[in-house]
Amino acid sequence: AIRMTQSPFSLSASTGDRVTITCRASQGISNHLAWYQQKPGRAPKLLIHTASTLQSGVPSRFSGSASGTDFTLTISYLQSEDFATYYCLQYDTYPWTFGQGTKVEVK
Amino acid sequence: EVQVVESGGGLVQPGRSLRLSCAASGFTLDDYVMHWVRQAPGKGLEWVSTINENSASIGYADSVRGRFTISRDNAKNSLYLQMNSLRVEDTALYYCVRGGSSGWYPESWGQGTLITVSS
Repeated sequence: AIRMTQSPFSLSASTGDRVTITCRASQGISNHLAWYQQKPGRAPKLLIHTASTLQSGVPSRFSGSASGTDFTLTISYLQSEDFATYYCLQYDTYPWTFGQGTKVEVK
Repeated sequence: EVQVVESGGGLVQPGRSLRLSCAASGFTLDDYVMHWVRQAPGKGLEWVSTINENSASIGYADSVRGRFTISRDNAKNSLYLQMNSLRVEDTALYYCVRGGSSGWYPESWGQGTLITVSS
């Protein structure tokens, strides 16, 4: 199975900060990578698909990029509503696999 | 409005079976890939299974292959997950998720149904 190594496990940040979360795939997955945001007690929400395509309705401060097997989610200007846990998902090859998650906490 | 609503969760003993259902509304089911994703209490997300629009392509996580079966009835706007030989480690919130408008990625999530496997 393809392993998705997500880092960091957690981070502390302040509103207005630029935040970067990375997922590294253990083998090539083309651009079949999605990012999700999950808040406590809520279902996950799709932010980015196809590595860099912003899902409709998602604020433009969220962006995704790819370089080989490294994928990055960037929040350019952290807002209070962005404190949450973020997951990457590779949907290139079965079995699909999620990253371990990154919790973005208030500094 | 796109909606997927899971049902069928509950408390079940190890080794027993359970069938989850997912009712879709606000879209035409046979236009979309569908998924099951689960989340154990306090843990991360785990992809469980995917079925394409005509059931010709199906995938399973290694942890459930051979025990779980995904299926769909497009005429009834419903997705199912038959879960056999349940284990304690299958305890989780199970989400039904509609695929994307432009790809197979999970897009629209239900609120989940909780399965607790315990003696």
